[in-house]
Amino acid sequence: DSGVTQTPKHLITATGQRVTLRCSPRSGDLSVYWYQQSLDQGLQFLIQYYNGEERAKGNILERFSAQQFPDLHSELNLSSLELGDSALYFCASSAEGAGLAGDNEQFFGPGTRLTVL
Amino acid sequence: GQQLNQSPQSMFIQEGEDVSMNCTSSSIFNTWLWYKQDPGEGPVLLIALYKAGELTSNGRLTAQFGITRKDSFLNISASIPSDVGIYFCAGPTNQAGTALIFGKGTTLSVSS
Repeated sequence: DSGVTQTPKHLITATGQRVTLRCSPRSGDLSVYWYQQSLDQGLQFLIQYYNGEERAKGNILERFSAQQFPDLHSELNLSSLELGDSALYFCASSAEGAGLAGDNEQFFGPGTRLTVL
Repeated sequence: GQQLNQSPQSMFIQEGEDVSMNCTSSSIFNTWLWYKQDPGEGPVLLIALYKAGELTSNGRLTAQFGITRKDSFLNISASIPSDVGIYFCAGPTNQAGTALIFGKGTTLSVSS
């Protein structure tokens, strides 16, 4: 158990809909990352938040957005869903900035499997 | 852009055999991470490497940070059925922040 939790585990929805994925980082971790994993693209970085502020953006579509709340949990919002958005979405957290050795190591949650029909 | 190339893409071995896989990049990395992913689960961090030439072990797993800083290697000794899964190498992206870029993975199958 990595200490990172994600809900829901599975999500099935229709094209055009909007969904919200939720992540709680490991206790004490300030950084949260979202990744998308698909068969053709592999694991791709979407976005990073650090202590409530957006830190970096990767290959995130404009239809997708995220936020990190004061209690450090994060939500990834996916809107106007398309068939191609079907994938596994992972949240990871790290102790980045804690000044500890290895604080860039990322720990992944169990993921949310999104199926768009 | 940045890319991590893992080889082999897949391996089929017998229980008890040793396994070697590697990861190469066209750019220099200051950190190499190795993850394992079981079906339907999230990647699990196996080993982290921070210095060129560093050799680090975690049980039957040993990883090395290549001297050129453009490659890394993972060895598994005396494989067992629970070693089955996908092994990913990862390193920091050259973007702002501390996101990771991942290789495409090496899929390991172990027959008993």
